[in-house]
Amino acid sequence: SQQGEEDPQALSIQEGENATMNCSYKTSINNLQWYRQNSGRGLVHLILIRSNEREKHSGRLRVTLDTSKKSSSLLITASRAADTASYFCATPPDTGRRALTFGSGTRLQVQP
Amino acid sequence: DARVTQTPRHKVTEMGQEVTMRCQPILGHNTVFWYRQTMMQGLELLAYFRNRAPLDDSGMPKDRFSAEMPDATLATLKIQPSEPRDSAVYFCASGLVLDTFPGEAFFGQGTRLTVV
Repeated sequence: SQQGEEDPQALSIQEGENATMNCSYKTSINNLQWYRQNSGRGLVHLILIRSNEREKHSGRLRVTLDTSKKSSSLLITASRAADTASYFCATPPDTGRRALTFGSGTRLQVQP
Repeated sequence: DARVTQTPRHKVTEMGQEVTMRCQPILGHNTVFWYRQTMMQGLELLAYFRNRAPLDDSGMPKDRFSAEMPDATLATLKIQPSEPRDSAVYFCASGLVLDTFPGEAFFGQGTRLTVV
């Protein structure tokens, strides 16, 4: 069963704008990860945030985690056409399980 | 660059035929995962192995699917007999899992299976 759910399902913005995607999950976690998938390709890991962290940065990416609300957000600043992809959050489905389950994803379209 | 390699990339087969998908995980990773992706269901976890031992295959239809890891360099996912509803992209991923902490997963490019 899916643990995380992304919102919105689809997002279309202009190049240079910021894109924000949200993820909600159901049970306690020890980390949350974000992945990107370009059309027809495998998923690529973007960033991992641990449950004791509130915010993490990587280049133009900023991830926040609110464990009290069981939610995370991914912000992509100064978006580029190359950022066009689907973005997924991933969490372990139950405490103790060693595999990630993925949400349904947010499809981001960045218009040049 | 170390990467997860999946073969074949594309497979078209007739209903009832056996399908075998192969995966070469990244050397040194202790866990291998199989996922299936469809438009309707999204990414589903089928099974995963740690140190070649199956840990969980509860996501797999047991009557027709089987997953094995005969050695550290090869994981296989087999469907017998295949059905049209099995049409999907099947991903293999590998990673280092320490205790109960699943770290970053490295995905292969997937096998796009079409059962007609």
